[in-house]
Amino acid sequence: QIQLMQSGTEVQRPGASVRVSCKASGNPFSSFFIHWVRQAPGQGLEWIGAINPNTGTTRVAQNLQDRLTFPRDMSTSTIYMEMSSLRPDDTAVYSCALEPSGTYFLHHWGQGALVTVSS
Amino acid sequence: QSALTQPASVSGSPGQSITISCAGTSTDVGYSNHVSWYQQHPGKLPRVVIYDVTNRPSGVSDRFSGSKSGNTASLTITGLQAEDEADYYCKSYMVTKTYVFGTGTKVTVL
Repeated sequence: QIQLMQSGTEVQRPGASVRVSCKASGNPFSSFFIHWVRQAPGQGLEWIGAINPNTGTTRVAQNLQDRLTFPRDMSTSTIYMEMSSLRPDDTAVYSCALEPSGTYFLHHWGQGALVTVSS
Repeated sequence: QSALTQPASVSGSPGQSITISCAGTSTDVGYSNHVSWYQQHPGKLPRVVIYDVTNRPSGVSDRFSGSKSGNTASLTITGLQAEDEADYYCKSYMVTKTYVFGTGTKVTVL
């Protein structure tokens, strides 16, 4: 059974960076994409990016291309979402989700991590 | 990439059918058959109910169905039940190899 476990709540100042982790269990890394989706308080879902953990291929939403990266540690099956130059409107729950290879939909979700950006 | 356009809310009585639209452009919904729909109950994680426009994952009720015409995709729920009350989001693969969600629709069962 594939499970995605994320790190906890983060509070950051405007202009700082944040790193959220997503640890996969159940051996999911044979051809998958890990996606990142955020949801601001009371707002809808926003797709922000994805990475193929095996190849390192990434896809990033156009509005975040200069602030978002996805470091990975294959030894611990952990993917990170790293966002820089944080702004108050980046406050959201950040969730990782798994796309089984070639299916183009999100099948398994992490529990989400609240990131609050406030001075 | 602008969010796909969905109605803010749709409502229906138990047993009725409702349809939620998802309007995009020729670079997302019109370009791709990889349109999926997600159901999200308050405080819960989203779960996919339709993928690749018309396909239902195992375990999803056959009361959920999807379709697409041109740049607009649709989700239909027949035999509406109280448990269907939730937020629904469409998502489309794009020509840029990225994805975009819809604005979301709150479904209310009267």
